[in-house]
Amino acid sequence: YVLTQPPSVSVSPGETARFTCGGDNIAVQSVHWYQQKPGQAPLLVIFDDSDRPSGIPERFSGYKSGNPAILTVARAEVGDEADYFCQVWDSSSFQWVFGGGTRLTVL
Amino acid sequence: VQLVESGGGLLRPGGSLRLSCAVSGLSPFSDFAMTWVRQSPVKGLQWVASVSGRGTSSYYGDSVRGRFVISRDNVKNIVSLQIDNLRVDDTAVYFCAKHIVGVAGQFDVWGQGTLVTVS
Repeated sequence: YVLTQPPSVSVSPGETARFTCGGDNIAVQSVHWYQQKPGQAPLLVIFDDSDRPSGIPERFSGYKSGNPAILTVARAEVGDEADYFCQVWDSSSFQWVFGGGTRLTVL
Repeated sequence: VQLVESGGGLLRPGGSLRLSCAVSGLSPFSDFAMTWVRQSPVKGLQWVASVSGRGTSSYYGDSVRGRFVISRDNVKNIVSLQIDNLRVDDTAVYFCAKHIVGVAGQFDVWGQGTLVTVS
């Protein structure tokens, strides 16, 4: 099972960054999103398509209506620069799948 | 909750390795599934294996099944990953992570990783 993400997204500070995650069955799968800054472990920023863990700013939001799933980062800051990965549990094969990741540049 | 990986290093192809993940601040530890994820520049983030809270069920990625074994000690609060017949493409940073509850739930806490180099 493959999750497809564009390799890069670039926005100016204050703009909204939009990330897509495509997959054949993604409409019926729960999608999770992770942020990973250089030298750090991934951090869960969105789970179950659109829920935010405690401590994650409201600027981070997730949405899904069919395919693809979408993560948006509103009012992007230089500190949001990172790689963003989507993830699903493929219940047909009992395996976790990550997308290839999208690098956000804010400049 | 804190996860601390150990056991990485420089190894030869064909060798074996046992990674450990010490978990603290999580009680009861046995209520939560645990997982290993690896990351390399070539392959990106790659899920490796997960084990249920009681250790009775385990799941593996296609690329590691048969060479990797995940296990846990619910007394010592440790999750381990045994890797046999190491290959050059096993070179990666290996992260330990906690599931929100069961193996089908997202990973809400991660360790900082341990580097495995096979050369």
